[in-house]
Amino acid sequence: QKEVEQNSGPLSVPEGAIASLNCTYSDRGSQSFFWYRQYSGKSPELIMSIYSNGDKEDGRFTAQLNKASQYVSLLIRDSQPSDSATYLCAEGSNYKLTFGKGTLLTVNP
Amino acid sequence: GAGVSQTPSNKVTEKGKYVELRCDPISGHTALYWYRQSLGQGPEFLIYFQGTGAADDSGLPNDRFFAVRPEGSVSTLKIQRTERGDSAMYLCASSVQGDTEAFFGQGTRLTVV
Repeated sequence: QKEVEQNSGPLSVPEGAIASLNCTYSDRGSQSFFWYRQYSGKSPELIMSIYSNGDKEDGRFTAQLNKASQYVSLLIRDSQPSDSATYLCAEGSNYKLTFGKGTLLTVNP
Repeated sequence: GAGVSQTPSNKVTEKGKYVELRCDPISGHTALYWYRQSLGQGPEFLIYFQGTGAADDSGLPNDRFFAVRPEGSVSTLKIQRTERGDSAMYLCASSVQGDTEAFFGQGTRLTVV
């Protein structure tokens, strides 16, 4: 049974700060990792995918993958109140996604 | 539309009734997935279609749940003899092909009373 673990939070950061969200996964053979953002009552929205060790940057978002440590992270620079949401980490293999429970992020103005 | 479309957005049904939830994937996406999300949890996999066939239905909780995709596009998730424990957000996603980025629809919130 694959597992993806996230700290449920809430994680609270001031506006303009860097928010750091973390995730660990159980299957050493996993190759694909995704971060989804989910606003309350809405569906998940894909914001980042990462497949190789190292960093991947897209605008204010940076995903980091360390396969040796089985660790994925998401950094949000210059956090905005509109970034307040639950962030879901997911591992993809065998044509399905295994999600963590999500971390609730609150960005305070 | 450009995104995954799910109907209805909300469905309230009585215990024991039959419901159908519909998903229209992004045009050209051959892979379609159904997930279920309960409050405070991440989405849980139900079933994966590649084209018309169910390639993996290992996440369906029991035989009251069934899904079809007869023409390789629109899919319907069918739940018989609904129970209160079936209440959840049902999410559909599609991707260009299996094992690539999946995009979710807005979901159907099912409430069984």
